[in-house]
Amino acid sequence: QTVVTQEPSLTVSPGGTVTLTCASSTGAVTSSYYPNWFQQKPGQAPRALIYSTSNKHSWTPAQFSGSLLGDKAALTLSGVQPEDEAEYYCLLYYGGAWVFGGGTKLIVL
Amino acid sequence: QVQLSQWGAGLLKPSETLSLTCAVYGGSFSGHYWSWIRQPPGKGLEWIGEINHSGGTKYNPSLKSRVTISVDTSKNQFSLKMSSVTAADTAVYYCARGDDGGNSAGYWGQGTLVTVSS
Repeated sequence: QTVVTQEPSLTVSPGGTVTLTCASSTGAVTSSYYPNWFQQKPGQAPRALIYSTSNKHSWTPAQFSGSLLGDKAALTLSGVQPEDEAEYYCLLYYGGAWVFGGGTKLIVL
Repeated sequence: QVQLSQWGAGLLKPSETLSLTCAVYGGSFSGHYWSWIRQPPGKGLEWIGEINHSGGTKYNPSLKSRVTISVDTSKNQFSLKMSSVTAADTAVYYCARGDDGGNSAGYWGQGTLVTVSS
């Protein structure tokens, strides 16, 4: 069974920069996995931020960027604001199915 | 502006069939991927499956035997059916729209809480 792994939680100071990563149990994550990233705040539906590694939706704030970092997919938040505190999920494509990571709780403190 | 609005029964007994429908407003219905995703209370997201504009489907292998996703293009709607539900299927279920180019789920419905309890 394929497992997608994210940091359970990360803490960042307001105004700082933080990078969240997304690893695959099958090996290195490449652009062929079409990494997607989502933000979810309590009581809300997830909001799409990044698709296909680094592409932003029209509504994605400029402070969010996606990339490949080593053998993982990565989401970087720059100039973090208190309202960026949320759960962040990555999603990878395995040919016949998509698999979510377990999520990273980002704490802004 | 694209909007997805979903509905369905919120309380089921074990062994019953879950049935949810998602209506799409704004944008074209054809040419996109239509997905279902769920989230058990206090837990992470789980991809259930998708159907494309040609009617082709892909399902989560762990749910494939119990899940059917279908579309009604005349109504701009798509649906999820999951048979033989148990308490483990209790979750908020979301519908979503994806596109070509690796955009899996850009637009989401509001979510429907489905509780399975005897």
